[in-house]
Amino acid sequence: GENVEQHPSTLSVQEGDSAVIKCTYSDSASNYFPWYKQELGKRPQLIIDIRSNVGEKKDQRIAVTLNKTAKHFSLHITETQPEDSAVYFCAAVIGGSNYKLTFGKGTLLTVNP
Amino acid sequence: NAGVTQTPKFQVLKTGQSMTLQCAQDMNHNSMYWYRQDPGMGLRLIYYSASEGTTDKGEVPNGYNVSRLNKREFSLRLESAAPSQTSVYFCASSPLAGVYNEQFFGPGTRLTVL
Repeated sequence: GENVEQHPSTLSVQEGDSAVIKCTYSDSASNYFPWYKQELGKRPQLIIDIRSNVGEKKDQRIAVTLNKTAKHFSLHITETQPEDSAVYFCAAVIGGSNYKLTFGKGTLLTVNP
Repeated sequence: NAGVTQTPKFQVLKTGQSMTLQCAQDMNHNSMYWYRQDPGMGLRLIYYSASEGTTDKGEVPNGYNVSRLNKREFSLRLESAAPSQTSVYFCASSPLAGVYNEQFFGPGTRLTVL
């Protein structure tokens, strides 16, 4: 079926380094790609999103890139800080529904001081 | 504003028992959603309500029912709980109908079915 695959499942970096998380999707009609951050024991929160008419979007240390031809999109975090440690989920609108987000399985990012 | 609230925070049920998870939002949002989160599985949509008076199935609706009581409240009912329904349940809401805007999540309900 239609799905979203997310890699890696775990990522450990040193404070100040960059982190990259990649997602691929199967539905070529997908046109909206949000990223959610979930700190341990907390609720998911939107950190950035991108629509298919844009190739890149930045917000301070966070950026998302989209390659529609290859059907993948990536989250880039620069100058990582310990408070960036969390689980990050990518998502995509799959199957033509305007109401259903399909989430990746998540990436546990650990930033070591 | 409290945002999205959920009750209860924790619940333990025996197989076959029923219960209702409550969700309310005070942001005047149109759409509301119920997700379940299992280890290594991400978030999976159970049911959603695009607007007051409508509900539709998501990815994993079997074993659940929902009610959009009014614009503020969206409840999830388990009629006969099974161990496979052990999970963390999140309610979410969004201002506009459809997924092309931010979803605001509640704090979650941790449910264990024995």
